[in-house]
Amino acid sequence: GENVEQHPSTLSVQEGDSAVIKCTYSDSASNYFPWYKQELGKRPQLIIDIRSNVGEKKDQRIAVTLNKTAKHFSLHITETQPEDSAVYFCAASKGLGNFNKFYFGSGTKLNVKP
Amino acid sequence: EAGVAQSPRYKIIEKRQSVAFWCNPISGHATLYWYQQILGQGPKLLIQFQNNGVVDDSQLPKDRFSAERLKGVDSTLKIQPAKLEDSAVYLCASSPQLGTDTQYFGPGTRLTVL
Repeated sequence: GENVEQHPSTLSVQEGDSAVIKCTYSDSASNYFPWYKQELGKRPQLIIDIRSNVGEKKDQRIAVTLNKTAKHFSLHITETQPEDSAVYFCAASKGLGNFNKFYFGSGTKLNVKP
Repeated sequence: EAGVAQSPRYKIIEKRQSVAFWCNPISGHATLYWYQQILGQGPKLLIQFQNNGVVDDSQLPKDRFSAERLKGVDSTLKIQPAKLEDSAVYLCASSPQLGTDTQYFGPGTRLTVL
């Protein structure tokens, strides 16, 4: 099956700096890569996603890049703010017939210091 | 639209007791997922339904865990008997149509087994 590895496990940045979280996956058939933000005690929420036919996607201060050859994808947050502090999870998914199966990374705890 | 609903939000039981969790997905969503999220880890898929049929339960500990989605709408996940290592947050998620990637998470049920 798929194996998704996520680094770093914790990341501390100063407000206004950029943060980068990286994930690698093992199954070259994976074709959908979402990123979730989970605040303490709350549900994971989708913040951005990318499909295998795209190399980069940006949404305001958040961007995701995908390198299919190397089988890795990254989340980039620019101009970080204290409210960006949360745990971020990456996931890889591939279609299996009419449904998708998701594999999650172990999470990165981001702390943005004011 | 209303989100994925789960109940209870918290449950404390002693080992060897039984427990059941309930999930009501977003109206019209065909796919329903149950995940186990142990503290400090990413969500791990337990079981996935497409309408009222199971499409993947390969990581469900079937000797103690069971799940059903009888009418293709809401679902229950049961643990009988519970073990200490079952302490985790149980997340339910749903996806709209066949082959759609995006999944929406419920708030989760935090289970503590003493």
